[in-house]
Amino acid sequence: KAGVTQTPRYLIKTRGQQVTLSCSPISGHRSVSWYQQTPGQGLQFLFEYFSETQRNKGNFPGRFSGRQFSNSRSEMNVSTLELGDSALYLCASSAGRENEKLFFGSGTQLSVL
Amino acid sequence: AQSVTQLDSHVSVSEGTPVLLRCNYSSSYSPSLFWYVQHPNKGLQLLLKYTSAATLVKGINGFEAEFKKSETSFHLTKPSAHMSDAAEYFCAVSDGFGGYSSASKIIFGSGTRLSIRP
Repeated sequence: KAGVTQTPRYLIKTRGQQVTLSCSPISGHRSVSWYQQTPGQGLQFLFEYFSETQRNKGNFPGRFSGRQFSNSRSEMNVSTLELGDSALYLCASSAGRENEKLFFGSGTQLSVL
Repeated sequence: AQSVTQLDSHVSVSEGTPVLLRCNYSSSYSPSLFWYVQHPNKGLQLLLKYTSAATLVKGINGFEAEFKKSETSFHLTKPSAHMSDAAEYFCAVSDGFGGYSSASKIIFGSGTRLSIRP
């Protein structure tokens, strides 16, 4: 069974640009969550999608958005990039049941110059 | 509100010696507790999880953790460290409410970097 796939693996952007990250969950998983990981802040929850609906959102500005498609693949978009957006963005999928364990992708390393 | 504290940001042990990574939690309800491992340039991988079935939980790669409610702790141990264990380890807590839970309810600790000396 294929794991969680995130593309691209690395991205370099400049301030003011926008970026779209992609996540393909494990087959059969309907829940996709996104996290931002930085050395200073650790793992911070961005948002969660379940069956194409945003179920929860973390404390991030509106520049961060996402969506989920009918095949459960998810995209995350960041507009008007800032230097502080440089981070590893991790996607995790789960079957969505109570306390279900999360399966993480390898992440997209975003560098904003 | 739930929270998790990893007491050591960095732990260094010699190969073949025991590993102890400490985690304390705070939760208003019966929590679920997790340990994840992250190797360089990789995502997180679940090592083990506790969901009230047994206080001693065995995970992958020889790791285990013991849930101690009186001490609100969930420390991760391994009898003998291997070079391949060098990685970042995250403790996480989630309040179980029954029914469908949300990933947003899972709180991660700040991580402990484990180094293994030859």
